[in-house]
Amino acid sequence: EPEVTQTPSHQVTQMGQEVILRCVPISNHLYFYWYRQILGQKVEFLVSFYNNEISEKSEIFDDQFSVERPDGSNFTLKIRSTKLEDSAMYFCASSERGQLNYGYTFGSGTRLTVV
Amino acid sequence: GEDVEQSLFLSVREGDSSVINCTYTDSSSTYLYWYKQEPGAGLQLLTYIFSNMDMKQDQRLTVLLNKKDKHLSLRIADTQTGDSAIYFCAERRSSASKIIFGSGTRLSIRP
Repeated sequence: EPEVTQTPSHQVTQMGQEVILRCVPISNHLYFYWYRQILGQKVEFLVSFYNNEISEKSEIFDDQFSVERPDGSNFTLKIRSTKLEDSAMYFCASSERGQLNYGYTFGSGTRLTVV
Repeated sequence: GEDVEQSLFLSVREGDSSVINCTYTDSSSTYLYWYKQEPGAGLQLLTYIFSNMDMKQDQRLTVLLNKKDKHLSLRIADTQTGDSAIYFCAERRSSASKIIFGSGTRLSIRP
């Protein structure tokens, strides 16, 4: 069964450093998403991406965040200057236009720890 | 506004049925989902229901939707130890909008 792949599975970074979280969505999917889950809290929407541009973003997704699809397969989330409160599990997801249930396929997540 | 609420914990005996409840506030929600998250893993879509349906059954899973009360439930029949996980209720207004998740219900199974 096709999978969404995220790397790395765990990243530790110092406060103020830039991080790039990588995702390979399912190959025929056209819609891409980033969500995050702070430990013990809700899964929160960050951003959706379609046709090489952001289609929707949340209040969390401020100027410190950016997304990119640098080639035909990768979808990245960059955090420019990490803060302690950015520590969370970050999930990438993708979906296919016309998918009957309109559900997403999620990756296993990247656990980001900011120290 | 958009909000999805669930109780945080549920403990059931192995072999019994589990019922996980969820309420949502957005009356225009069109798609409602249940996702499962096992320890250290991502979110797995378990089942979904459209808002024009009242019930959906898929093997051991039964989803009930009360649109008037904006209440969604997931029943797991014959609960097994492998069902231990966090279960997230989620809703989506349209195919073009984002999915909104609840806080998740941690299901634990006792022997």
